[in-house]
Amino acid sequence: AQSVSQHNHHVILSEAASLELGCNYSYGGTVNLFWYVQYPGQHLQLLLKYFSGDPLVKGIKGFEAEFIKSKFSFNLRKPSVQWSDTAEYFCAVDTGGGNKLTFGTGTQLKVEL
Amino acid sequence: DAGITQSPRHKVTETGTPVTLRCHQTENHRYMYWYRQDPGHGLRLIHYSYGVKDTDKGEVSDGYSVSRSKTEDFLLTLESATSSQTSVYFCAISESSHRGLRNEQFFGPGTRLTVL
Repeated sequence: AQSVSQHNHHVILSEAASLELGCNYSYGGTVNLFWYVQYPGQHLQLLLKYFSGDPLVKGIKGFEAEFIKSKFSFNLRKPSVQWSDTAEYFCAVDTGGGNKLTFGTGTQLKVEL
Repeated sequence: DAGITQSPRHKVTETGTPVTLRCHQTENHRYMYWYRQDPGHGLRLIHYSYGVKDTDKGEVSDGYSVSRSKTEDFLLTLESATSSQTSVYFCAISESSHRGLRNEQFFGPGTRLTVL
């Protein structure tokens, strides 16, 4: 079965620090990849997605992610975090064109002033 | 934000009682999903629907049933609620499952269910 691993469960950063959150998946075929963000008390919102083409994808709020097929990875990055980036971040993988998403367990990011 | 509403938003119930959660969309999307979110587990798919009266099981479907009689409504039923079903339930919708077309999922606001 497909699995998604997010190795960083809790991350604490100071404002302006750089961020990289890891995401690895187990499926060897064609995948669609997503990062979602959940701000405290809110629903999940899409940050960015990869379907095909340029493996470096840019999303909202200055986030980007790089798809490295050989490493089965889709890491999320942001050069300079803000306090408002405090949230939980979920990586998700779709191997069937949108029928089902398999989510990682999430990374709780806290940005301190 | 996508037009997705969930009702109720909060519910407290007792073990053994039936519970139905409703997801309503105004986007006319074909696909609808029910997830549960639990600490340390992320989101896990319970059931999904790929059209009216067409549903299938997800990863954690035991103890849950669903129905979709109209495009806009997807109901999740706990026939006899247990404490292990205390969770936050999210509905999601998707425009298409065809590869190459826009197929990200959009999520509703969630329902917090507590089973005592």
